[in-house]
Amino acid sequence: EDKVVQSPLSLVVHEGDTVTLNCSYEVTNFRSLLWYKQEKKAPTFLFMLTSSGIEKKSGRLSSILDKKELFSILNITATQTGDSAVYLCAVEGVSGTYKYIFGTGTRLKVLA
Amino acid sequence: DTGVSQNPRHKITKRGQNVTFRCDPISEHNRLYWYRQTLGQGPEFLTYFQNEAQLEKSRLLSDRFSAERPKGSFSTLEIQRTEQGDSAMYLCASSLATGWQAPYEQYFGPGTRLTVT
Repeated sequence: EDKVVQSPLSLVVHEGDTVTLNCSYEVTNFRSLLWYKQEKKAPTFLFMLTSSGIEKKSGRLSSILDKKELFSILNITATQTGDSAVYLCAVEGVSGTYKYIFGTGTRLKVLA
Repeated sequence: DTGVSQNPRHKITKRGQNVTFRCDPISEHNRLYWYRQTLGQGPEFLTYFQNEAQLEKSRLLSDRFSAERPKGSFSTLEIQRTEQGDSAMYLCASSLATGWQAPYEQYFGPGTRLTVT
């Protein structure tokens, strides 16, 4: 069965630290992997990854995909308290129709 | 506001009542998804539409749940004879799929939080 596993489940760091969040997956006919940030509302889109080894970057956030080992990482450098949120990984697979499978998320808390 | 909108934002209902939620996707987005999210979990796929056609339903979706997208624009999700286990956040998302080979970004609405008492 298709699945997406994120680790760690939760993380507490201090402002200025760098964090790495992990997402591994087993999905039929992989098409893309997406990262979202969720605060106390709906998930907001961060990145979409389709090709191995190509880093996507937005400010202090970056992400990369390894399609051979079936995982992705999301890095956040120089963390700020505003980065505190749940980070969700979703993988799109094609088994008949198109469907996204979400992980349970990593809860990040950044302390001042 | 040109994002995905959902109404109502909150709904409290008594067990056994029917409820209906509405989702208005980003204009011209042809794909629309419904998800359910409970505390501490990621969104769980419920169903999705390509234009007005409902292409897949999760086995999580019992026959008490029905969704429509009659004109390929807004969508409704109805839950009949609600149960306490239906309490959750119901999220809608939309995307523009320009071709079957091209992956696409998915954008979420603010969600409808359902509480069944």
